[in-house]
This record gives sequence, C-alpha cells and structure tokens, in this order.
Amino acid sequence: GESVGLHLPTLSVQEGDNSIINCAYSNSASDYFIWYKQESGKGPQFIIDIRSNMDKRQGQRVTVLLNKTVKHLSLQIAATQPGDSAVYFCAENIVGNSGYALNFGKGTSLLVTP
Amino acid sequence: DTAVSQTPKYLVTQMGNDKSIKCEQNLGHDTMYWYKQDSKKFLKIMFSYNNKELIINETVPNRFSPKSPDKAHLNLHINSLELGDSAVYFCASSRIAGGFNTGELFFGEGSRLTVL
Repeated sequence: GESVGLHLPTLSVQEGDNSIINCAYSNSASDYFIWYKQESGKGPQFIIDIRSNMDKRQGQRVTVLLNKTVKHLSLQIAATQPGDSAVYFCAENIVGNSGYALNFGKGTSLLVTP
Repeated sequence: DTAVSQTPKYLVTQMGNDKSIKCEQNLGHDTMYWYKQDSKKFLKIMFSYNNKELIINETVPNRFSPKSPDKAHLNLHINSLELGDSAVYFCASSRIAGGFNTGELFFGEGSRLTVL
C-alpha cells in the first residue's frame, strides 16, 4: 500500500477528459527526456521519450511537449481512462563523464475518477 | 519472461543486520543500476555498472556495496542496516548502441526493505 505522509502533487481528472502533467527539469545540458508511469507496487514503466532537437512527440493517446527555453516538459494524456491512474515521473539524462543514467523528477499522482 | 527481476520483493529485518537484494536482467543489456525510492516516491540513483565495472557511485554510505558477478546480474549488499534504509530499491538496465548508452531504463518491480 501507499506510505503515510505522501505529499506528491495530485491531479484529479474525470474519465474521458484530457490530462496535462507538468515537469520542470534542472539541467540545461540535458538532451534526452522520458516520461515514466508507476502503478502501485510496480516499477516505473516507459511511456514516451523526446530528444532536445524536438519540441513535440506523439504516441498513442500521449503527447510530450518540450520547452527548452524555460526547461519545461509536459505530458498530455487524451481521453484519460481509469487505468491511467498512477504516479508519473519525468526524467532527464545525466550529462557528464561519469556515465549514463536518468535523473528523476518528483512525480505527480494522477487520479482518474469515473 | 520477466525482463528485470529482483528478489526478494519484500524484506523485513532488524537494525544492525546485513542483507542482500539480487537483480538479474535477461535483456542482454550492458548497463545496470540501483535506484532508491523513498516514502515520498522520490527516485534517486545510487549506482550504475557497465559490463561489471562501477561507473556511477552517488553519495551513498559505504554500508551499501553493489556487486556485479557478470553483466546480467547486479546485487546490492547492505551492512549494518539502519532505520533510514527503509525504502523501495529498484534495479534497472539499459543498452548501449554505437558505444553510447541510449534510451530508456527498464526497471524491475522493486524490493521493499523495512528496517525495524
């Protein structure tokens, strides 16, 4: 179950509405970004990614927008379904000589109500 | 077949004990990671290994020691467990293409460690 004292930002939407989840990233040198979905009791799962040479990328029901000027990412989910309820993380690649990894944002909890 | 598998899924132990979490990936990836997720769901990288070699070692107490016997396995051993070690630990892997790591990390289901 969920831990006590969870203070994630929460977005509550009605089934069928569109959802927009926002993320601010920290490193202007990052050139690769991913959105992950984490359901309760599971590991993060890949949703969609975008490279810094793009400002928009679309998948099935999801769109990622990248604004490098203000270091902002958003994830748009069309026609949100109950199965979309989860915690969503944006991640940026860690740039440097120490190797490749992803740096995760704080997460947003999406709750879809019928 | 599970791509990245971790054992155990749950681990409850007393302070001061030593415990290990095992991870295996069958994706043929060259790089493996350990991440820690705290009670606020914040995911933070701890270590990464590339072909059994330690690449990233974030500010983690020396009580945490990763071991990679081969590139398909990355185990995490924790000595002298403390209350603050309670968290969910995730193993992940990624592939190298053209000499560069690229793309997504594939995560395991997590191992929930509770220290009493």
